[in-house]
Amino acid sequence: DVKVTQSSRYLVKRTGEKVFLECVQDMDHENMFWYRQDPGLGLRLIYFSYDVKMKEKGDIPEGYSVSREKKERFSLILESASTNQTSMYLCASSAGELFFGEGSRLTVL
Amino acid sequence: QKEVEQNSGPLSVPEGAIASLNCTYSDRVSQSFFWYRQYSGKSPELIMSIYSNGDKEDGRFTAQLNKASQYVSLLIRDSQPSDSATYLCAVTGGSTLGRLYFGRGTQLTVWP
Repeated sequence: DVKVTQSSRYLVKRTGEKVFLECVQDMDHENMFWYRQDPGLGLRLIYFSYDVKMKEKGDIPEGYSVSREKKERFSLILESASTNQTSMYLCASSAGELFFGEGSRLTVL
Repeated sequence: QKEVEQNSGPLSVPEGAIASLNCTYSDRVSQSFFWYRQYSGKSPELIMSIYSNGDKEDGRFTAQLNKASQYVSLLIRDSQPSDSATYLCAVTGGSTLGRLYFGRGTQLTVWP
């Protein structure tokens, strides 16, 4: 079975803090993705990566950056967290079909 | 912008009934189509994929694809209360590697 592991299930941060969300997959997938999910807005793509050190902006990249130094690991970085970044963050990996991690619920106070 | 539209719901059916979930998409070059189930507070879980026109059956689930009409549906036969969840339709784009475009989901409730 594909395993996508997100490092933190629940985080509470303060406005202005730097936040790292980490994701590891164990299936040697080329493609990895970061989404956020908010009630009424559905899943929105933040960034994705199709290879090590490669990244592509999704639909809502503002306020976020990513890092992919190794194939299995894809990190999402909030340089200066703001309250409007309070959300559920979902990492996924793909080699055709998309598999999600369990999600990280971030609250920014 | 690639659009994926789902029937807005919420959809409520009695136990044992057939639940029908519908999805239309705007990009004619989409080739792969997926249905995900998401329980409240959980992440989406892949339940069906379909790549060619026609029907694909897996247990109580049937996915139907009509590329000419740009339409994909999911039928759940003999619905159970455990099927109560939000169902997300997703389609691939024509060029972007691996990226899926998601609808906003249809919330299904199956009452006993």
